[in-house]
Amino acid sequence: EPEVTQTPSHQVTQMGQEVILRCVPISNHLYFYWYRQILGQKVEFLVSFYNNEISEKSEIFDDQFSVERPDGSNFTLKIRSTKLEDSAMYFCASSVGRPPGELFFGEGSRLTVL
Amino acid sequence: AQSVTQLDSQVPVFEEAPVELRCNYSSSVSVYLFWYVQYPNQGLQLLLKYLSGSTLVKGINGFEAEFNKSQTSFHLRKPSVHISDTAEYFCAVISLKGAQKLVFGQGTRLTINP
Repeated sequence: EPEVTQTPSHQVTQMGQEVILRCVPISNHLYFYWYRQILGQKVEFLVSFYNNEISEKSEIFDDQFSVERPDGSNFTLKIRSTKLEDSAMYFCASSVGRPPGELFFGEGSRLTVL
Repeated sequence: AQSVTQLDSQVPVFEEAPVELRCNYSSSVSVYLFWYVQYPNQGLQLLLKYLSGSTLVKGINGFEAEFNKSQTSFHLRKPSVHISDTAEYFCAVISLKGAQKLVFGQGTRLTINP
């Protein structure tokens, strides 16, 4: 069964360092998303991406964040200069069509900023 | 804007007992409603969704949910739970118009005791 895969599963970094989280969406999907969950809090929307551009982003998704689909298979989330409050589980998701079509989520990448 | 409240952060039940996980939402526009499940060390998986039509929706693994518009609720139920149902359950909504983002509740941890 096709699935969304994310790497790394866990990354520890120092405050101020750049981090790239990688995702391989399901191959025929056209819409891509990043969500995050800070420990003990709700899963929050970060950004959606379609046709090689951001279609929607939340207030959380400031200039420190960027997304890219560099090669037609990977979908990356970059945090330019990490802060302590960026520590969270980051989930990648993809869908064939716009919501309410089903989103398929990856297992998540846990980011710990020290 | 939408918000979702899951009234119980943890629900312990005995195996083969019935369970109900509560979800209430707030929105100024009509929404679609979803329940996602997260098994340990896995990503979020869609259990069921309500888009339109019958207010009783059946999902995978014997779960069902009922949409109650007057009470703005979408409670999840299962008549007889199994050990394998131990997981975190998330209620989510998405507006019918415009925004492509899922808005999640804080999750309910369902623990099944033998």
